[in-house]
Amino acid sequence: GESVGLHLPTLSVQEGDNSIINCAYSNSASDYFIWYKQESGKGPQFIIDIRSNMDKRQGQRVTVLLNKTVKHLSLQIAATQPGDSAVYFCAEILGNNNDMRFGAGTRLTVKP
Amino acid sequence: KAGVTQTPRYLIKTRGQQVTLSCSPISGHRSVSWYQQTPGQGLQFLFEYFSETQRNKGNFPGRFSGRQFSNSRSEMNVSTLELGDSALYLCASSLVGTGDGYTFGSGTRLTVV
Repeated sequence: GESVGLHLPTLSVQEGDNSIINCAYSNSASDYFIWYKQESGKGPQFIIDIRSNMDKRQGQRVTVLLNKTVKHLSLQIAATQPGDSAVYFCAEILGNNNDMRFGAGTRLTVKP
Repeated sequence: KAGVTQTPRYLIKTRGQQVTLSCSPISGHRSVSWYQQTPGQGLQFLFEYFSETQRNKGNFPGRFSGRQFSNSRSEMNVSTLELGDSALYLCASSLVGTGDGYTFGSGTRLTVV
């Protein structure tokens, strides 16, 4: 399953499928990006980050892709599990001033 | 190691009152940022403190203020509360706050009635 930008805030996938969550960021000067996962009743939890001098970074079951040309960020989750159900936010950090701006978020629902 | 601690977890206030929220960062972290989260506006940056100084500020009215103490603990204050201030207030701490990773607390849920 795939979401497109911030205009489709809900993504529903079958357990075991791969998920792709997309994010368009606003500032071409942003040099650091983070994906967060937020479960109900909790604060955002760090998933993976990437700096602007990279195109791709892999973690455990997650991959972040950065396309600076079109200011686009994506989070790929392999073999999605019910525990992955949450709201996912991308965040961009503008230079060195620690100004972290969040996208609107995408709610991922994993169907058993 | 202890995470970011926010107190209280829940708060109910009346319009016109003021409120103070507290955030204790991870030990050794010197940067504390505050965010407001609402269903309509998402996560919005309030301000960031580093070494007791406000280093950056978002687009919120002057009713929203904060401070940081020498032990890096931070407080934010909202005066003359409005119904629209009802939100989840989150703080995040990091070592020096220049892209070195941020850890969030669980937030304070403020309800203004």
